[in-house]
Amino acid sequence: AQRVTQPEKLLSVFKGAPVELKCNYSYSGSPELFWYVQYSRQRLQLLLRHISRESIKGFTADLNKGETSFHLKKPFAQEEDSAMYYCALDNAGNMLTFGGGTRLMVKP
Amino acid sequence: EPEVTQTPSHQVTQMGQEVILHCVPISNHLYFYWYRQILGQKVEFLVSFYNNEISEKSEIFDDQFSVERPDGSNFTLKIRSTKLEDSAMYFCASSENPSMSYEQYFGPGTRLTVT
Repeated sequence: AQRVTQPEKLLSVFKGAPVELKCNYSYSGSPELFWYVQYSRQRLQLLLRHISRESIKGFTADLNKGETSFHLKKPFAQEEDSAMYYCALDNAGNMLTFGGGTRLMVKP
Repeated sequence: EPEVTQTPSHQVTQMGQEVILHCVPISNHLYFYWYRQILGQKVEFLVSFYNNEISEKSEIFDDQFSVERPDGSNFTLKIRSTKLEDSAMYFCASSENPSMSYEQYFGPGTRLTVT
């Protein structure tokens, strides 16, 4: 069975500091990993997916199959990055398995 | 930009009552999903639906739950006899294609409170 773990429920940083939100997964096959973000009073929305290897809003995430991790990083946090971040695994396109989420607070 | 819509935004019901949660997926999408999030817990997959049938369901999706696409636009989740533990945020999502890397677009959610 697949599982996604986000060890930090809350991460608080100052504006301009680097950010790393951790995500580890367990899955026997070849996973598709995503980061979803939920800003205050808004819906869940896709931030980025590992297959596209893109940078969105300055965030990047690299899939490390050896460590079964997909950590989300940003070199310089902005106040508008404050949100809930969810790591998710898609096993075959029919369902997403979410981690518990990390609340990122960026202080001025 | 097209969005998934859900109604109502908040539903309060008494234990044992039936509730129907409504979703309008994005119009050209073919795959539909329901998830739920109990307060303070993870977002959990309930069911996926394609071509008028369930393609996958979780252990949570027992006989009390059913889904339907009654017309060309709506996608509903019915809970036959609600329990206190069904209180949660219910999210509908849709995607063009279920294969990997296709984004699931989420609705804003319906908060269900069972008293």
